[in-house]
Amino acid sequence: EAGVAQSPRYKIIEKRQSVAFWCNPISGHATLYWYQQILGQGPKLLIQFQNNGVVDDSQLPKDRFSAERLKGVDSTLKIQPAKLEDSAVYLCASSSGHNTEAFFGQGTRLTVV
Amino acid sequence: GQQVMQIPQYQHVQEGEDFTTYCNSSTTLSNIQWYKQRPGGHPVFLIQLVKSGEVKKQKRLTFQFGEAKKNSSLHITATQTTDVGTYFCASGGGADGLTFGKGTHLIIQP
Repeated sequence: EAGVAQSPRYKIIEKRQSVAFWCNPISGHATLYWYQQILGQGPKLLIQFQNNGVVDDSQLPKDRFSAERLKGVDSTLKIQPAKLEDSAVYLCASSSGHNTEAFFGQGTRLTVV
Repeated sequence: GQQVMQIPQYQHVQEGEDFTTYCNSSTTLSNIQWYKQRPGGHPVFLIQLVKSGEVKKQKRLTFQFGEAKKNSSLHITATQTTDVGTYFCASGGGADGLTFGKGTHLIIQP
């Protein structure tokens, strides 16, 4: 079974630039999560989708972050414009349904300089 | 999401010693999931607990869910170097977002 795919693996941008991350969840998984993990801290939930609807985006900084999951499969997370404090690993995860284990991708390490 | 607090933040043990991390909430939790993240890696699911007072074992790992469903613990017996990493508890994932604690970093000295 193929895992959660994310790209790119690494990205370096200057502050105020834009960046986008892509996630392809495990086939058939209805729930998709985006997390931000700052070095040494726990994953912080940015947004959770159930199919193509949003379940929770209470911690998504909506003035600069946006996410979409068209057709309930792939998802993109965008930051525009980036700030220095956005430097982190962005993790995508998926699960088959409510209250089931989440499978994580390898993450995208973003450095904002 | 359902907020969870983890203690301790760091735990240094000698190889062969036991290790325990605790997860607490001020509200009743629908479930608890435990994940392990190796240095440089991504979180990997270990187990889920949903019933009050539930206890599950995986080899040297023992997971407990409190009677009031407000706390949980992960206990590792006789730690090995392969146990190094950060252990996270998480809750939610249904109508509430799946929310992680800050994790306990396990450092093992040979």
